[in-house]
Amino acid sequence: GAVVSQHPSWVICKSGTSVKIECRSLDFQATTMFWYRQFPKQSLMLMATSNEGSKATYEQGVEKDKFLINHASLTLSTLTVTSAHPEDSSFYICSAPDRAKTYNSPLHFGNGTRLTVT
Amino acid sequence: SQKIEQNSEALNIQEGKTATLTCNYTNYSPAYLQWYRQDPGRGPVFLLLIRENEKEKRKERLKVTFDTTLKQSLFHITASQPADSATYLCALNNNAGNMLTFGGGTRLMVKP
Repeated sequence: GAVVSQHPSWVICKSGTSVKIECRSLDFQATTMFWYRQFPKQSLMLMATSNEGSKATYEQGVEKDKFLINHASLTLSTLTVTSAHPEDSSFYICSAPDRAKTYNSPLHFGNGTRLTVT
Repeated sequence: SQKIEQNSEALNIQEGKTATLTCNYTNYSPAYLQWYRQDPGRGPVFLLLIRENEKEKRKERLKVTFDTTLKQSLFHITASQPADSATYLCALNNNAGNMLTFGGGTRLMVKP
């Protein structure tokens, strides 16, 4: 089945540094990928929609200059948290729609990245 | 305002019983509704999708119902097992795209 690989699974960084998270579709092409953020015991909050070959679409309240998204190929989207601060510590998860469909399509999720900013 | 509500309290049941989880929504007109399973520290895994014109969907020990009048979906796990312990999320969309909005999830604990 369709697999989405996310790397790294966890990262600890110092305040003020930048962190890049990669999301790859391993056996299918994903023109669209979604980036979510999840706080403990809370639901997934959509941050942005990554579109291959064009600019990402950000949800209201998400700073595009802080959360840089690049979708340079049909199998790779990256999220860079710039100038990270402790409040950016969270669980970040990417997903891509099933390759067989676009409408009504289930999402395939990566296993998430636990970011801790000290 | 739009809301997707799942019981935030954990559901504890005995192995072998049927677990029933509820998803209620307001101010949405979803074309379809999905259920996912999420284990701690992992990404969600898709389980079932049900369309607005479907009343019920089954997959092995799983059953989902969708009542667009009550604006509610029920998720059932029959003959529950300890391995079914996880958080279950419902998600729905309100337009033609793939942008899903997730409920807060309900944690299920199945005791042996």
